[in-house]
Amino acid sequence: KNQVEQSPQSLIILEGKNCTLQCNYTVSPFSNLRWYKQDTGRGPVSLTIMTFSENTKSNGRYTATLDADTKQSSLHITASQLSDSASYICVVSVSGGGADGLTFGKGTHLIIQP
Amino acid sequence: NAGVTQTPKFRILKIGQSMTLQCAQDMNHNYMYWYRQDPGMGLKLIYYSVGAGITDKGEVPNGYNVSRSTTEDFPLRLELAAPSQTSVYFCASSLNTGAGEPQHFGDGTRLSIL
Repeated sequence: KNQVEQSPQSLIILEGKNCTLQCNYTVSPFSNLRWYKQDTGRGPVSLTIMTFSENTKSNGRYTATLDADTKQSSLHITASQLSDSASYICVVSVSGGGADGLTFGKGTHLIIQP
Repeated sequence: NAGVTQTPKFRILKIGQSMTLQCAQDMNHNYMYWYRQDPGMGLKLIYYSVGAGITDKGEVPNGYNVSRSTTEDFPLRLELAAPSQTSVYFCASSLNTGAGEPQHFGDGTRLSIL
């Protein structure tokens, strides 16, 4: 069964600090991996999408890495800001899966404290 | 820049009542999706559509129905509401299902069945 596991479940850090969120998956065959940010009371917003040939992708202070061999991804947030407080969701797409080929992780709930 | 618009934002239903959750997108996207998000769980696909007139079941379709008469609109119908359908419902759209195409989400409908 295709699964996406995220860790930690929740994380509290001080403003200005860096943090790294983890995503492990068992989806096969792999097509692409997506990271979304979901603010409280809002819908998810795309941060990055990576295919198996990409091992690093940045979006401002967000940097995602992908190791397709070990089936692991991480999302690194640099110099955190209060607005980074949100849930971060890892989503993996199966190759040839079409519109129903996405497996969503449960998310990491990140709280940035002043 | 409306994107994906969902109405209503909140609703309380009694057991056995019916209602329609509305979803509209203005990006001319072919693909539209309905997900439910339960506390501590990843998003689960209810139904999806690859174009006007074409719909298909996702992972958790029981108790729901959809239609897609236009490219823009994708309403979700709940018949005979049950407490297990208490959830946050998200509508999303995408141009296609390719690796370069993120899903665009609405801000959700928070539904309670009492």
